[in-house]
Amino acid sequence: GAVVSQHPSWVICKSGTSVKIECRSLDFQATTMFWYRQFPKQSLMLMATSNEGSKATYEQGVEKDKFLINHASLTLSTLTVTSAHPEDSSFYICSATRPGLAVAYEQYFGPGTRLTVT
Amino acid sequence: GENVEQHPSTLSVQEGDSAVIKCTYSDSASNYFPWYKQELGKRPQLIIDIRSNVGEKKDQRIAVTLNKTAKHFSLHITETQPEDSAVYFCAACLSGGYQKVTFGIGTKLQVIP
Repeated sequence: GAVVSQHPSWVICKSGTSVKIECRSLDFQATTMFWYRQFPKQSLMLMATSNEGSKATYEQGVEKDKFLINHASLTLSTLTVTSAHPEDSSFYICSATRPGLAVAYEQYFGPGTRLTVT
Repeated sequence: GENVEQHPSTLSVQEGDSAVIKCTYSDSASNYFPWYKQELGKRPQLIIDIRSNVGEKKDQRIAVTLNKTAKHFSLHITETQPEDSAVYFCAACLSGGYQKVTFGIGTKLQVIP
C-alpha cells in the first residue's frame, strides 16, 4: 500500500509555456502533500506544503505565482509551473502523508517528474 | 527553521565493511528522523526511521542511533553489499500539525565489490 504516482514522468517544454504535474495517492487519502525540487546531485528542497481544500504554504524564496499548487481532493495535488524558463529545469518530486499510521510523519514519495525547459 | 547537516558527502567502502553516515539537526522540537535511500533516477525510499523517545533502532543490517542531547543521529550499515550503493538522505521532522521535513544534503555511498 501507500503508492504515490506522478504524471508525467518527464516533460520537455519551450520557454514561456506552462506545465502541469499531477501527484496522486493511489490507495490512500492524503491529507497533506509536499512538493520538492531536486537539482542534479543535490538534496530535496521543499517548495510547498499542500493541504486538501486550502491554500498551499510556500517555502521562503518560492514564487507563489510561478509555482501554482492545487490540492482539490484527498488523492490529487497539482503543480503548475507557469511561464517556464530554462532555470526551472529540475526533478520535481511530490510526497504524501496519511494519518492513522504508527509512523505519523512518514512520507510516501512519487517517482518524480523530470522537467526540461528549452 | 530547522537545519540538517549531513556528512560525509561521499563515502566509499569495500564490500562487507560497515558504513556510517552522520547528521545533526538544530531544532530541538524535531521528534522524528527518517532515512531515505535514493538510487539513481529513482524516488527516495524510506529505509529506517527513529523517534525522539528511542535511542537506537535496528533492522537487519541497518541501524540508526539518536542522541537528543547532542542533536545528532547516525545511520549504520553493516556487511555492505553492492546494492547498497545509492544516495542516502537523513531528515528531521518538526512536531505538530504542520508536518515539515528538512533533508540533509545527502551522502553518496559506493560499495566496491
